Amino acid sequence: GAVVSQHPSWVICKSGTSVKIECRSLDFQATTMFWYRQFPKQSLMLMATSNEGSKATYEQGVEKDKFLINHASLTLSTLTVTSAHPEDSSFYICSARREGRRFFGPGTRLTVL
Amino acid sequence: AQSVTQLGSHVSVSEGALVLLRCNYSSSVPPYLFWYVQYPNQGLQLLLKYTTGATLVKGINGFEAEFKKSETSFHLTKPSAHMSDAAEYFCAVSDGEKLTFGTGTRLTIIP
Repeated sequence: GAVVSQHPSWVICKSGTSVKIECRSLDFQATTMFWYRQFPKQSLMLMATSNEGSKATYEQGVEKDKFLINHASLTLSTLTVTSAHPEDSSFYICSARREGRRFFGPGTRLTVL
Repeated sequence: AQSVTQLGSHVSVSEGALVLLRCNYSSSVPPYLFWYVQYPNQGLQLLLKYTTGATLVKGINGFEAEFKKSETSFHLTKPSAHMSDAAEYFCAVSDGEKLTFGTGTRLTIIP
């Protein structure tokens, strides 16, 4: 089956720094990728939809200048959390769409000190 | 607008017993319904989905779910639990574009 990877799997950073998370579709090309955030004991919340070669579409309430998304190729999308703060600590999950099906990465746990 | 409610954030069953994970949804359009499973340190995997047609859907690993429109439910069942079923399970609804998840149910299997 299709595989989606994320790197890193976990990251700890200091408040005020920026963190980049990569999402790769390993064996297929994905024109559309999705970024989710999951807080403890809560549901996965869609943050943005990333389309290759165009600007990402952000969900209401998600700051596009804080969560920068780049989808420069058909196999890679990146999420950069800029000027991270402790409240940004969460589990970030990406998903890639292939032939109508969604494939999910294993997630990246971000802890901001 | 669409939403999903999963009753019970934790469910424990004995090995060999029936597994029942509850999911209710709301949707303004005919829904597509999904169950995903997440094992530790892995991505979500699709267990089964309902789009149209037969309301009883069979998935992988012996799981099945029944779409009941009158009850707006899509409960997940398995006749006999196995230790390998221990995981987090997510119910989700889609309007064809956006996928909305429930809060998840952690299933524990008691030996």
